[in-house]
Amino acid sequence: DAGVTQSPTHLIKTRGQQVTLRCSPISGHKSVSWYQQVLGQGPQFIFQYYEKEERGRGNFPDRFSARQFPNYSSELNVNALLLGDSALYLCASTLGGRRTDTQYFGPGTRLTVL
Amino acid sequence: GQQLNQSPQSMFIQEGEDVSMNCTSSSIFNTWLWYKQDPGEGPVLLIALYKAGELTSNGRLTAQFGITRKDSFLNISASIPSDVGIYFCAGRQTGANSKLTFGKGITLSVRP
Repeated sequence: DAGVTQSPTHLIKTRGQQVTLRCSPISGHKSVSWYQQVLGQGPQFIFQYYEKEERGRGNFPDRFSARQFPNYSSELNVNALLLGDSALYLCASTLGGRRTDTQYFGPGTRLTVL
Repeated sequence: GQQLNQSPQSMFIQEGEDVSMNCTSSSIFNTWLWYKQDPGEGPVLLIALYKAGELTSNGRLTAQFGITRKDSFLNISASIPSDVGIYFCAGRQTGANSKLTFGKGITLSVRP
């Protein structure tokens, strides 16, 4: 079975541009979470979606938005990119919303903002 | 944002040695997790802990959920070269969402 897939693998943008990152969860998983991992730091929670509804939002500006589609895949959008948005963006897939559900991470999308 | 406390930033050990890492927080978590991340990949779950005081093993790895619910430790026994990587602790608080709070990670190097 395929794990969590993310696209693209790498992306280079310039300041002020907009970017869309994509995530496909493990088949049967209904929840997707997004994390930002800056070099040398642990992942920071951005959003969680479950059954197409936002379940949680981290401390990120409104430039960050996300959505989940009927097939449970998800997109993360970042507007008006800043240099500080350069990071590895990770998507995590979970079967449901229970505390004991394991979060499986994808390989991430490496975003570089110039 | 809030992060769990992991130190030191790097650890260097000899192959075959045991190593312990701990993770602390000023807040209570009701789930503690340990992940390993290799270069160019996402974190992979090693051990999950759900009850205070719980001690869980996964092969050469053993982890414990602190009784105060504010700390956890991971022990790796008889280290091998493939144990090289970044080890993150993560905690999850009571609530409806899956938000995980991570530490900064410890980079482990194993000398052959």
